[in-house]
Amino acid sequence: DIVMTQSPDSLAVSLGERATINCKSSQSLFYSSNNRDYLSWFQQKVGQPPKLLIYWASTRESGVPDRFSGSGSGTDFTLTINSVQADDVAVYFCQQYKTTPQTFGQGTRVEIK
Amino acid sequence: QLLLQESGPGLTKPSETVSLTCSVSGDPISGTSYCWGWIRQSPGKGLEWIGTIYNSEKTSYNPSLKSRVSMSVDRSKNQFSLTLRSVTPADTATYYCARLQDYYHSSGLPDHWGQGTLVLVSS
Repeated sequence: DIVMTQSPDSLAVSLGERATINCKSSQSLFYSSNNRDYLSWFQQKVGQPPKLLIYWASTRESGVPDRFSGSGSGTDFTLTINSVQADDVAVYFCQQYKTTPQTFGQGTRVEIK
Repeated sequence: QLLLQESGPGLTKPSETVSLTCSVSGDPISGTSYCWGWIRQSPGKGLEWIGTIYNSEKTSYNPSLKSRVSMSVDRSKNQFSLTLRSVTPADTATYYCARLQDYYHSSGLPDHWGQGTLVLVSS
């Protein structure tokens, strides 16, 4: 199985500042036949299911604010939240959907300082 | 608007079989671009993919659960189901059903999730 490791486990940021979450996979998520990285990011608020934010490593899901951005390729990926809002308090997960079984990172909790 | 709603027994005893159903509204379950799956979440194991059922009714299961899991589809009711046999307290989790995008060379991207149903395994 591909192991997904996120860092940090939690971070506290001030309103309006930038939050950066890293995700590392134990194998490359890049598929050369279609030039895509099979990496997604989810946001989970308390008492809610995960919500898809980013897929193909950097494509924002419809309706997701543009302060959320994804980057990276191969085995190293980053989710950046520019100008953090109070509504962004949540746990964020990365996920690989290249191989079976698909696997998730352990989650990063974002709080307001 | 796509909505998924899980239903299940809530409390189950060890060694028993638990059956969960996902009712889908707003999208026919026979759509060719999608597949349907189950993912569970527990404090100890985090998010764990359980399995996926495709439009062809082919299934794919997590090897860690494969011997105890089966999935099926009822197109007449626009529902799909999960059966997990010989449960133990380690199977206690919130179980989510999800729609997955069936991309090329992919295990499927879950883009819509139900609210989840808690399954507690306890004697």
